[in-house]
Amino acid sequence: EDQVTQSPEALRLQEGESSSLNCSYTVSGLRGLFWYRQDPGKGPEFLFTLYSAGEEKEKERLKATLTKKESFLHITAPKPEDSATYLCAVRNGSSNTGKLIFGQGTTLQVKP
Amino acid sequence: NAGVMQNPRHLVRRRGQEARLRCSPMKGHSHVYWYRQLPEEGLKFMVYLQKENIIDESGMPKERFSAEFPKEGPSILRIQQVVRGDSAAYFCASSPPRQYTEAFFGQGTRLTVV
Repeated sequence: EDQVTQSPEALRLQEGESSSLNCSYTVSGLRGLFWYRQDPGKGPEFLFTLYSAGEEKEKERLKATLTKKESFLHITAPKPEDSATYLCAVRNGSSNTGKLIFGQGTTLQVKP
Repeated sequence: NAGVMQNPRHLVRRRGQEARLRCSPMKGHSHVYWYRQLPEEGLKFMVYLQKENIIDESGMPKERFSAEFPKEGPSILRIQQVVRGDSAAYFCASSPPRQYTEAFFGQGTRLTVV
């Protein structure tokens, strides 16, 4: 069964304190690993798509990496505005469905 | 380029009433997905539609729930005879016709059943 597990569930950082969020996955025929950011009361906002092991993507203070079993979202020198829930999702390529399977998310709080 | 538009943003229904949630995909997107987010839970897939076709409804409850994406107009998620357990945030996402691309989400409809 396809599964996505994110850790930690919650993370508190001081402004400027770099860290990483983990996303472990089990999927039949990965057809994309996706990172989203979700603010309270809002819809998920797309951040990155990774398709193959070794791939990396960057955007401002965020960098996403992918291996055959997990993905990391590295946050460098975070600011309070980076506080949000970060969601990881995978797409199964063994069927024709386009559905995403989401993890439970990591809620990040960055204190000034 | 407007994003995925969902309405209403908030919907209150009494038990036994019907709820209709609407979703207009991004321009040029022909694939629509509906997800449900229960309090303190993650996003759960419900249904995947293309114009006039349901491609995957494996996440839809067997009863009371239905979805459509007509040739003209928005996609509709319909919940008949709502119960308290249907209270949740319902999100719509859309993607372009190419396979395996990212999906973009709307702001959601928060359904409260009283």
